[in-house]
Amino acid sequence: DGGITQSPKYLFRKEGQNVTLSCEQNLNHDAMYWYRQDPGQGLRLIYYSQIVNDFQKGDIAEGYSVSREKKESFPLTVTSAQKNPTAIYLCASSILGQVLDGYTFGSGTRLTVV
Amino acid sequence: GDSVTQMEGPVTLSEEAFLTINCTYTATGYPSLFWYVQYPGEGLQLLLKATKADDKGSNKGFEATYRKETTSFHLEKGSVQVSDSAVYFCALSDRQTGANNLFFGTGTRLTVIP
Repeated sequence: DGGITQSPKYLFRKEGQNVTLSCEQNLNHDAMYWYRQDPGQGLRLIYYSQIVNDFQKGDIAEGYSVSREKKESFPLTVTSAQKNPTAIYLCASSILGQVLDGYTFGSGTRLTVV
Repeated sequence: GDSVTQMEGPVTLSEEAFLTINCTYTATGYPSLFWYVQYPGEGLQLLLKATKADDKGSNKGFEATYRKETTSFHLEKGSVQVSDSAVYFCALSDRQTGANNLFFGTGTRLTVIP
C-alpha cells in the first residue's frame, strides 16, 4: 500500500541536541511538506519541497533544517536553535500543483524535550 | 494574509445529535476550502472540499457549503456516530498566494458519546 511513513513515533531530546525526524513516501509525489502541530494553534508550515534538491521555508522555519536528496525522502532536523521544540511533527506529500486532490499525511512524530 | 478561524472546542455530543463546526476564512485571492479529519493516533485525511462559491462538498454524511458572502465553510452532519470522534481541521488554499500550500485552522476536537 502506498503512503507516508514517519519515524520514530516518539522522540525525546535533551537540551542542546539536534535530532532528525524521518519521512519516507512511496506515492511518487513530487511535493513534500513538514508541519508542526501544537494544541490550540493548528498546523503551521515549517518547510516544503517541490522537487529534489530544492526546498522553501514556510512560516516557522527558524531552528529547523531539511534536505531533499531523494524524491521519496524529506528528513527534518530540529536543531538546538529551536527553543521550544516540544510538539507533534507531521509530514505530508502531494502531487505537484494538485492541492485539490488533497495532501497525504503521515501519522506524526511526537517530540518531547527532557 | 490568508487565515482560517475555527470554533473553539472541544465539542461533546450524544450519538445521533446534529453537528455544526464553524469555520470562517480570510483570503486575498480565490481560495479553495477543505475539511480534514484526524482520528486518534493517525495523520490527517481529506474529508471534503469545495473550490468555488456555492459549491457543496460532501463525504461520509458530512457536508459543507462554500459561502463567499459570509466567508464561511461550516461543517455539518445530521446524525453523528461514536466513530466520528476525531479532530476536524478547516483549511484553505489560495491560488493567488501559493496553490501548493494549505493554511489550517486550529482544529476542533469532537467527542461523541453513546
